[in-house]
Amino acid sequence: DGGITQSPKYLFRKEGQNVTLSCEQNLNHDAMYWYRQDPGQGLRLIYYSQIVNDFQKGDIAEGYSVSREKKESFPLTVTSAQKNPTAFYLCASSTGGLAGGPSLETQYFGPGTRLLVL
Amino acid sequence: KNQVEQSPQSLIILEGKNCTLQCNYTVSPFSNLRWYKQDTGRGPVSLTIMTFSENTKSNGRYTATLDADTKQSSLHITASQLSDSASYICVVSAGTGANNLFFGTGTRLTVIP
Repeated sequence: DGGITQSPKYLFRKEGQNVTLSCEQNLNHDAMYWYRQDPGQGLRLIYYSQIVNDFQKGDIAEGYSVSREKKESFPLTVTSAQKNPTAFYLCASSTGGLAGGPSLETQYFGPGTRLLVL
Repeated sequence: KNQVEQSPQSLIILEGKNCTLQCNYTVSPFSNLRWYKQDTGRGPVSLTIMTFSENTKSNGRYTATLDADTKQSSLHITASQLSDSASYICVVSAGTGANNLFFGTGTRLTVIP
């Protein structure tokens, strides 16, 4: 897990509720990522950020939002617009600053947050 | 379509035995290929990374091979241990950018005593 922490470990969401997943890193990495993992599927990219105050949508950004106000933190909000939020959410970081981005860098993953719907 | 397929889906072996996991990909252009180990309920941890020019890379009891011509990779685990029980994920990069990483669905390995 390196120096990446995610909280909480388990999170329960009620219908129509927004919930926020925390991701913090002390690796001094510029780049951070959010992935969703579902059974029988590969990891899918939700959002990523190459630098503070900037972020881009991944393949499945609908129903999610992020912010990157600090280098160390990249919280993910699962909004009520996300109709199927039950999944395992993984945050990752990499050094960033290279032209190749995560293609050339090792991504370090957090321990994950499992989101369940009540 | 860029895809990464892994086989088998799951595998059970006896402690001390060797095993080989397969990864076939159709990703293009090819930049590099990584193998990750993911313990249950945890985040993936990088095992190896191979570029186009590399055909073998080892990390302790883990040896990855790459055949860029046939677009196949394998992960060989020698003298398995109970702690090897995990999912092993193959990830292929199609170039720069976070949107160019393609993840396989993984092989679930169980090592039994």
